[in-house]
Amino acid sequence: KAGVTQTPRYLIKTRGQQVTLSCSPISGHRSVSWYQQTPGQGLQFLFEYFSETQRNKGNFPGRFSGRQFSNSRSEMNVSTLELGDSALYLCASSPEPGYGNTIYFGEGSWLTVV
Amino acid sequence: KNEVEQSPQNLTAQEGEFITINCSYSVGISALHWLQQHPGGGIVSLFMLSSGKKKHGRLIATINIQEKHSSLHITASHPRDSAVYICAGDSNYQLIWGAGTKLIIKP
Repeated sequence: KAGVTQTPRYLIKTRGQQVTLSCSPISGHRSVSWYQQTPGQGLQFLFEYFSETQRNKGNFPGRFSGRQFSNSRSEMNVSTLELGDSALYLCASSPEPGYGNTIYFGEGSWLTVV
Repeated sequence: KNEVEQSPQNLTAQEGEFITINCSYSVGISALHWLQQHPGGGIVSLFMLSSGKKKHGRLIATINIQEKHSSLHITASHPRDSAVYICAGDSNYQLIWGAGTKLIIKP
């Protein structure tokens, strides 16, 4: 069974640009969550999608958005990139969180904004 | 005050020592997760607990619902156990993260 796949693994963008990150969950998992990890702030919750619906959103500006497709694959987009957006972006999948299911993480996408 | 607190923040020990990492939470959760993160960034789920105790190899996790406290123990620690250990509360379709404990096991 394939794990959670995130692409791209590494990318460098310039301030003001936008970026799209992709996450393919484990087959059969319908919940995808996104997290940002920075050295100063640790892991921060971005949003969670289940069956194409955003069920919860963390405290991030509107520049951060996401969506989930009918095959459960998810994308997150960051527009008008700022230097502070440089971070590891992690995606996690589970059958459905909030009910004590094991969660599985991808390897993450390392974003550097210059 | 963070909703999920971990201690200690950093821990260095000698190979073979018994390790304990603590996690306290102040929010309602359906489960408590323990995860391990290696320097490459990938995160692996170790345990998911809603009550009692779980054991996997040299790792043991316990949770006390009344006291809102969980512990992760490592017996006979080994340098390959060196990593960041994170606890996270499963609440309302999101994980609420502790700050992590950086563990270094010296040979």
